[in-house]
Amino acid sequence: AQTVTQSQPEMSVQEAETVTLSCTYDTSESNYYLFWYKQPPSRQMILVIRQEAYKQQNATENRFSVNFQKAAKSFSLKISDSQLGDTAMYFCALLGGGSQGNLIFGKGTKLSVKP
Amino acid sequence: KAGVTQTPRYLIKTRGQQVTLSCSPISGHRSVSWYQQTPGQGLQFLFEYFSETQRNKGNFPGRFSGRQFSNSRSEMNVSTLELGDSALYLCASSFGRRTSGISYEQYFGPGTRLTVT
Repeated sequence: AQTVTQSQPEMSVQEAETVTLSCTYDTSESNYYLFWYKQPPSRQMILVIRQEAYKQQNATENRFSVNFQKAAKSFSLKISDSQLGDTAMYFCALLGGGSQGNLIFGKGTKLSVKP
Repeated sequence: KAGVTQTPRYLIKTRGQQVTLSCSPISGHRSVSWYQQTPGQGLQFLFEYFSETQRNKGNFPGRFSGRQFSNSRSEMNVSTLELGDSALYLCASSFGRRTSGISYEQYFGPGTRLTVT
């Protein structure tokens, strides 16, 4: 079975500072994708960043970057220069290989950015 | 390009009734996945449709069903509603097939908030 674990239910950070959200996963597949999604209080789930397991280079999208440690099955998200608009639930998700469109989500981390 | 749309946005139903939710994917996307989100269970996969065929199904009772039309629009139906079916139902679309340069990333709609009383 595939699992995703987010061990930090809540985190807070001061505006303009950097914060790292943790995620570990378990899968027996060799080909898979990892994602971070953001869900603001408005409820619209937004894709933040993705990482293909076969790529060793860590993905980066503007202020968002990941630290992908394949052997440790770890996939953390770093948010630099935090902004008030980053306040949201963040979900780590795993998509296994093959053709199945089944995302496995962690329980989420509630991030609050304080002014 | 328009995003994923879901209708209705809010629904209030009574126990025992049935409900149908609709999802229109991003143009060009052929895969539609449905998820249930509750405070207690988090996000749980319901099923995925690709080219009008159910390709994968989560661990939900048979009261939950779905279908996909030739234009990739999808509906899900819940029959004999129970109080525990109260949730946010999210639909996500993707290209659904791994081709060069295209991944399986899913894009979500705003959701339908279903309340069962």
